[in-house]
Amino acid sequence: GQNIDQPTEMTATEGAIVQINCTYQTSGFNGLFWYQQHAGEAPTFLSYNVLDGLEEKGRFSSFLSRSKGYSYLLLKELQMKDSASYLCAVRDRGNTDKLIFGTGTRLQVFP
Amino acid sequence: DGGITQSPKYLFRKEGQNVTLSCEQNLNHDAMYWYRQDPGQGLRLIYYSQIVNDFQKGDIAEGYSVSREKKESFPLTVTSAQKNPTAFYLCASSIPGGAGYEQYFGPGTRLTVT
Repeated sequence: GQNIDQPTEMTATEGAIVQINCTYQTSGFNGLFWYQQHAGEAPTFLSYNVLDGLEEKGRFSSFLSRSKGYSYLLLKELQMKDSASYLCAVRDRGNTDKLIFGTGTRLQVFP
Repeated sequence: DGGITQSPKYLFRKEGQNVTLSCEQNLNHDAMYWYRQDPGQGLRLIYYSQIVNDFQKGDIAEGYSVSREKKESFPLTVTSAQKNPTAFYLCASSIPGGAGYEQYFGPGTRLTVT
């Protein structure tokens, strides 16, 4: 079956670093995406990993280990505006671009 | 300014009525998708289309229908057969077959059926 697990909620302090983990068990794998979604709004793309290792983009980094079925999103220098849900999604192998989403991690940043 | 539009943002309907949600994109993307999001749950795929005049069922297609007559448009009809239609509906588009191409999302339509 297809399964993507993320913690439901996390809290952190402004200026700190937080790591949001995602583990997956899917029938195929053709890349992993992280999206940010503020309440009531559309998800926006943050990062994409298809090979093992770390991808860095400003304050955000994402890591992938395909052998472990594991990824994390690292947010540095947290700001209040980073309070949002973070969605992990795996792209299925094959000739479609279907994404399988986890339930999302709701991050609250406190001053 | 390229993007995806969904209208309306909020929609209210009585039980037993069909309702059509609009999704339009001017990104020149071939692939389009419809998702449903419920509180505490991830996005679940309803239907997707990789090219005009072709579409496929996703994981939760029962009670929904779509059409793809134009590249820019992918409307979703929520029929009276859908048991729990109240949800947040998101439309997305992407360049198909591109390994790293992300899906771009519209602002969503919140449908309430009473």
